[in-house]
Parts: sequence; C-alpha cells; structure tokens
Amino acid sequence: EVQLVESGGVVVQPGGSLRLSCAASGFTFDDYIMHWVRQTPGKGLEWVSVISWDGGSTYYADSVKGRFTISRDNSKNSLYLQMNSLRTEDTALYYCVKDRYPRVQGVLDYWGQGTLVTVSS
Amino acid sequence: DIQMTQSPSSLSASVGDRVTITCQASQDISNFLNWYQQKPGKAPKLLIYDASNLETGVPSRFSGSGSGTDFTFTISSLQPEDIATYYCQQYDNLPRLTFGGGTKVEIK
Repeated sequence: EVQLVESGGVVVQPGGSLRLSCAASGFTFDDYIMHWVRQTPGKGLEWVSVISWDGGSTYYADSVKGRFTISRDNSKNSLYLQMNSLRTEDTALYYCVKDRYPRVQGVLDYWGQGTLVTVSS
Repeated sequence: DIQMTQSPSSLSASVGDRVTITCQASQDISNFLNWYQQKPGKAPKLLIYDASNLETGVPSRFSGSGSGTDFTFTISSLQPEDIATYYCQQYDNLPRLTFGGGTKVEIK
C-alpha cells in the first residue's frame, strides 16, 4: 500500500524558514517523480515544485522560485521542501504527491494527508 | 501559463441526477487533463486521467471526455458519497501543472 506521510508544518513568522518532510513507502521511491502541491481556502490547489526520480532536475512555481528548494534522499525514501523567506501568502496545507508512471510527470495518483504551514506574526 | 477555467463553481443536485462539470483550457492541451475528487478533510483522489481514462477502482458512474480546450466530467447518477469538490488539472505545459478552481457538489 502506497503511503505518503508529511511532517514539519508549524506556525512561523514572516521571513522565517521551515523544512517539510515526506516519508514514502509501498512503492519503489527512486523510480518516481515527486511533487509538492499546496492548498489554501482562497486559491484552491496550487502546484509548488517537482523533482525528478534521481533528484537531478527540479522546477518551481514562480510564486516560490528562489525561496523554496525541493530535494530527495532515495536511500531514505524521503522528499523534502526547504522553505525560506516565508510570506503570509505561503500559509497553506502542503501535500506530498506521487506521479502515476515511473519517470513520467503529470498524473498525480497518490497524495499524502498534508501538513499545515501557517505564516503569521 | 495555461489557465484552467472550471464551471460551475458549485452545484446542488438530487440523488440519481446526472451531473456535468466543464473545464476549459486557455490553450490546446490535447488530452493531458485529469480529474480529482476531494472530500471534506481529505486529500484529493485521482478519478480520471488523460481526459477519459477511469482510474482503477473508481466507480463507472464517473466519466470524462473532451480534447483540445474543452473538457467535461460527468457523474451519471449522483450518489450521497459523491459529495465533494472536483478539480481538473492540465499537464500539457510541463513541468508546471495547473488546476481548475474546483466545483463543489452538494445534494439538494
């Protein structure tokens, strides 16, 4: 059974930093592209970042480029999101998401339960 | 970036009704379109991929159609357990993915 378990969400002040983690199990982690997707009540679902199966390629939404860094440790079956220079508009539920096909991007077939990040003074 | 426009934003229908949701892309995305269901307090769940393919285990009352810029998601006979918000998502413009604004489905 595929499981994605996010952690690390807390309340942080504007300008602060945070690292989210996602522990994956139930599939061959290093075969799959992985994503972070966030959700806010006002803006719905927003794709944040993606990383290739080997970590060699990463891409970001314009709203987080230069502030967030996605990474993975295939030896630990783990995905990460380092979030710096946080803004109030980064407040959201952050989901760790798996792609459906090995090494092919676009169809998101498993989602974690999410971890809540609140940016507030 | 490709914009995805979903309509309606919400709807109310009776059990057994046929429900239709539309999603329009700002440019041609071929069939690179998925549909997700999100129940309250839960993560989104993949229902339809590549515009019309039913994900394994998803009831056959759900279906999708369309290509290019115009897509349709249909529930042939609405059930109480289908109360949720439904989202479309394009993946033509990789690596960036974009979602529609969502359609909240309620029982009348």
